[in-house]
Order: sequence, then C-alpha cells, then structure tokens
Amino acid sequence: AQSVTQLGSHVSVSEGALVLLRCNYSSSVPPYLFWYVQYPNQGLQLLLKYTSAATLVKGINGFEAEFKKSETSFHLTKPSAHMSDAAEYFCAVSMYSSASKIIFGSGTRLSIRP
Amino acid sequence: EAGVTQFPSHSVIEKGQTVTLRCDPISGHDNLYWYRRVMGKEIKFLLHFVKESKQDESGMPNNRFLAERTGGTYSTLKVQPAELEDSGVYFCASSQPSGRGDSTDTQYFGPGTRLTVL
Repeated sequence: AQSVTQLGSHVSVSEGALVLLRCNYSSSVPPYLFWYVQYPNQGLQLLLKYTSAATLVKGINGFEAEFKKSETSFHLTKPSAHMSDAAEYFCAVSMYSSASKIIFGSGTRLSIRP
Repeated sequence: EAGVTQFPSHSVIEKGQTVTLRCDPISGHDNLYWYRRVMGKEIKFLLHFVKESKQDESGMPNNRFLAERTGGTYSTLKVQPAELEDSGVYFCASSQPSGRGDSTDTQYFGPGTRLTVL
C-alpha cells in the first residue's frame, strides 16, 4: 500500500529564509511523486513531479525537490521565501503512472513572516 | 485553453437532500478523477473515469454517491441522500496520458466545490 507523511501541519518562515517542507512516502513499487500547492481560494496546482528521471526536480516559482530512495523522502525546498509563497502544500504519490489515482499527504500550511 | 471547471463553487444543503456536482474537464482529456477533502483530513481519491467508463471506483464511500460521465465529456457526482459527514471540498481533475510519463500525464485540478451539509 502507498502512503505519504508530511511532517508538520503548519510551517512558518521569515521572508527571505529557506523553505523546507518534509515529505516521506511508502510504496511497494517505484513511485511517481508530486508536490501540489493550493493558494487561498484557488484549486490545486502542480508544483513539480518526479517520474524516475533526474532525482532533483525543479518546479515552478523557484521550488525544487529531491528524491532520496534510501530515505524514502521527497522534501520540498526553496532558497528564499516570498510573501506570495503562503499557501497549503501537498505531497502526493501515485503508482504505475501519473495517470493513476493520487494519494495525498495531509498538507502543510506555509506562512511567511514579514 | 480553459482549465478544469466545477459547478457550483459552494453548496449548502440539509441532511437528507440531494446535491449534484458537475465537473467539466479540459477539452480532449479522456481521464477524469474525483477527489474529496473532508475538513482537516487528507484529500482522498473517489473515482477515475477513462472516457465514459469507470476505471477505478475504489474510493467511493458508499452507495449514496453516484458518478456519471455520459458521452465521455463532463461528469456529475450526485450525493443522495446527503449526510453530515459528506461535508467537504470535492475536487475534480483531468489528464490526457501520453504513455511517456511526461507532462501530458499531469492531473490538472479544478477549484473544487465546497459542500456543506447541515
């Protein structure tokens, strides 16, 4: 069975500081991994996805994530937080293909302090 | 190109009533998915259509939920009769798989329908 664990339901960082959102997964087969973001009053938007190519995946808005099989992790980072990054972030996994059903983590709400 | 659209954006009904949610996928997308997020919980998969056929309905909670996709275009999700625990945000997503696992496999999500059952 597949599952996703996001550590920390709420993360707060200062503007300009490093953003690190943690995600660990479990999967019995090589997974497809995703990070989605939901800005206030909007739908889910794909930030980036890992599909067994490069282990370091670059996404939109300066975010990136690194797939570490040995640690079963897919943490999301951004070197310098911006006020506009305030949103809820979801780590997710799917099996077989990215057209399969997606299993989401519980989400991490990111707040940015001025 | 228009994204995934959902109607209504909000719905407030009383327990025992019927509600129908609609999803219009991105034009040409064969895959259509329904997901739900109950307050404070994870976003959970409900079902997956490929064109008009149900590919996977393993996430449907019970027989009060009926999803259809006539003609393989838009989809409806009916809840009848609604219960308090059905409250949450219902998301629809669509994708057009290429078989290459590239960006065309991405599931694009709509803004969701917030359902409140009183």
